[in-house]
Amino acid sequence: DTGVSQNPRHKITKRGQNVTFRCDPISEHNRLYWYRQTLGQGPEFLTYFQNEAQLEKSRLLSDRFSAERPKGSFSTLEIQRTEQGDSAMYLCASSPRQIRANVLTFGAGSRLTVL
Amino acid sequence: EDKVVQSPLSLVVHEGDTVTLNCSYEVTNFRSLLWYKQEKKAPTFLFMLTSSGIEKKSGRLSSILDKKELFSILNITATQTGDSAVYLCAVEASSGGSNYKLTFGKGTLLTVNP
Repeated sequence: DTGVSQNPRHKITKRGQNVTFRCDPISEHNRLYWYRQTLGQGPEFLTYFQNEAQLEKSRLLSDRFSAERPKGSFSTLEIQRTEQGDSAMYLCASSPRQIRANVLTFGAGSRLTVL
Repeated sequence: EDKVVQSPLSLVVHEGDTVTLNCSYEVTNFRSLLWYKQEKKAPTFLFMLTSSGIEKKSGRLSSILDKKELFSILNITATQTGDSAVYLCAVEASSGGSNYKLTFGKGTLLTVNP
């Protein structure tokens, strides 16, 4: 068990470009979450998967954001036509099926800087 | 909309001091409250609280929940420089069926000076 892995750890891009982040959860965890955190703020919920099904999306998640978890294992978060306001740390977390399903284990995050 | 408010937002103390961090919440369909510690990277889990009045304790850290008054406190005794971090409070609320998510507060930035 290597924990929750996120790649890349840092991404610098120009406004208007597309970026994709990948998250590999803990292998036996069926729930996967994406959060966004900006400086001085707590993590904000973006979306949640149970296995491959995307069960909830935040109103924060505009049409430029899309997340997938095609085989119920790793997940990707894509941001199209990035804007400077998208600059943030994108945190992925996973949790197990039943016991302590609400205790999220976070990855180290992917920091996005949009120039 | 679910709301979690932490206070103070920042706190500077000397080693050996005792600190109390506060978390109040307004959510529908409350299920649990969790505390996380965040240093430079990922938040790491500290406590989960579901019942009022039952103190959770781990070493110098302890926490308690009051579901009537809708708040929780996190106490750290005999603080050490290694306790310096952002402490995040999160409330788990159900949005229907088996769907739930954590709503986080802004965190309390604790700085412990030697």
